[in-house]
Amino acid sequence: DVKVTQSSRYLVKRTGEKVFLECVQDMDHENMFWYRQDPGLGLRLIYFSYDVKMKEKGDIPEGYSVSREKKERFSLILESASTNQTSMYLCASSLWGDRVRETQYFGPGTRLLVL
Amino acid sequence: QKEVEQNSGPLSVPEGAIASLNCTYSDRGSQSFFWYRQYSGKSPELIMFIYSNGDKEDGRFTAQLNKASQYVSLLIRDSQPSDSATYLCAVRGYGGATNKLIFGTGTLLAVQP
Repeated sequence: DVKVTQSSRYLVKRTGEKVFLECVQDMDHENMFWYRQDPGLGLRLIYFSYDVKMKEKGDIPEGYSVSREKKERFSLILESASTNQTSMYLCASSLWGDRVRETQYFGPGTRLLVL
Repeated sequence: QKEVEQNSGPLSVPEGAIASLNCTYSDRGSQSFFWYRQYSGKSPELIMFIYSNGDKEDGRFTAQLNKASQYVSLLIRDSQPSDSATYLCAVRGYGGATNKLIFGTGTLLAVQP
């Protein structure tokens, strides 16, 4: 069974704080993804990584950065949290290989509230 | 036009009925299609995927794909109250260095006991 874990289920931060969200997967997956999910907007891709130290911008990277120092761990960083970053953050991972069948598996999510 | 469109619902069906969830997509080159179920406050979990035209069955779930019409659907037979959730359709395009998924906003299904 694929297991993707996220460091926190709920976080409350203040505007301007630096926020770290951690994601760990135990299936040796090459690909890892960070999404945010907001009502009416669905899941939107923030950043993804297909290898250690590699990162690619997704659809909404502004205000975020990422770090992937080890294969199993992918961190999302909010450099200076703002209220419009209040959201549910979801991490996912997938095994590189068959482009058609490759499947993303999600972690439990972190619900972030920025005051 | 949104890349992946779903009716937001709620779709209400009685217990034991067939629930039919629909999804249309705009990129004609899309290669594979995924259905995820998401309970309120939880993360998406994969139900099934399909990449060939036609039907694919897995237990009570059947995915149907029609690439010519750019349409994918999920049928849930013998719907149970535990099937009440939001169902997300996700589409993978063709080409590029990544296997990015585009998600619809989901359809809320309510199965009435």
